[in-house]
Amino acid sequence: DAGVIQSPRHEVTEMGQEVTLRCKPISGHNSLFWYRQTMMRGLELLIYFNNNVPIDDSGMPEDRFSAKMPNASFSTLKIQPSEPRDSAVYFCASSTTTGLTGELFFGEGSRLTVL
Amino acid sequence: QKEVEQNSGPLSVPEGAIASLNCTYSDRGSQSFFWYRQYSGKSPELIMFIYSNGDKEDGRFTAQLNKASQYVSLLIRDSQPSDSATYLCAVLSGGSYIPTFGRGTSLIVHP
Repeated sequence: DAGVIQSPRHEVTEMGQEVTLRCKPISGHNSLFWYRQTMMRGLELLIYFNNNVPIDDSGMPEDRFSAKMPNASFSTLKIQPSEPRDSAVYFCASSTTTGLTGELFFGEGSRLTVL
Repeated sequence: QKEVEQNSGPLSVPEGAIASLNCTYSDRGSQSFFWYRQYSGKSPELIMFIYSNGDKEDGRFTAQLNKASQYVSLLIRDSQPSDSATYLCAVLSGGSYIPTFGRGTSLIVHP
């Protein structure tokens, strides 16, 4: 079975540009998480969806960040406008609330560099 | 605010030794505890989970949980260079589906 699929794997952009990161969760998983990882702050939760509905977005830094999950097989994280401090690895993860709760399956991540 | 603390390391151990990784957490309502391994440049993957006080063994890995003292540890016996990675502790509170991650401990196993 395919795991969580993220794109792009690497993105280099200039400050002020819009960035869109994409995620396809594992089929059948009803929970989706967006995390950001940096050396300074570790792995931070940005937003959590359950059954395509945003449940917890308290980790979204500010209005420049937005996330959507239009259906069970696709989610996007958008940053507009991007800033150098947004440079990080962004992970999407999925899980199922009917299985081992807390077992997250991570995608390979999207490494974002904002110049 | 729920906090999960880990020593960032690096923890350096010789090949064949026991590596001991520790994690403390602040939320007394925490019920599930996880250890994820993350190789450099890769994504985290689950290697162990534990719910009950005491020890849980899986191959060379042993997870230990002490809820009274609010700590969970991971022991790796007969450490191998391939165990060199960052180990992330994650904690799940009762009724929640969102684990809180520690910042991870870097482990280096040298030949």
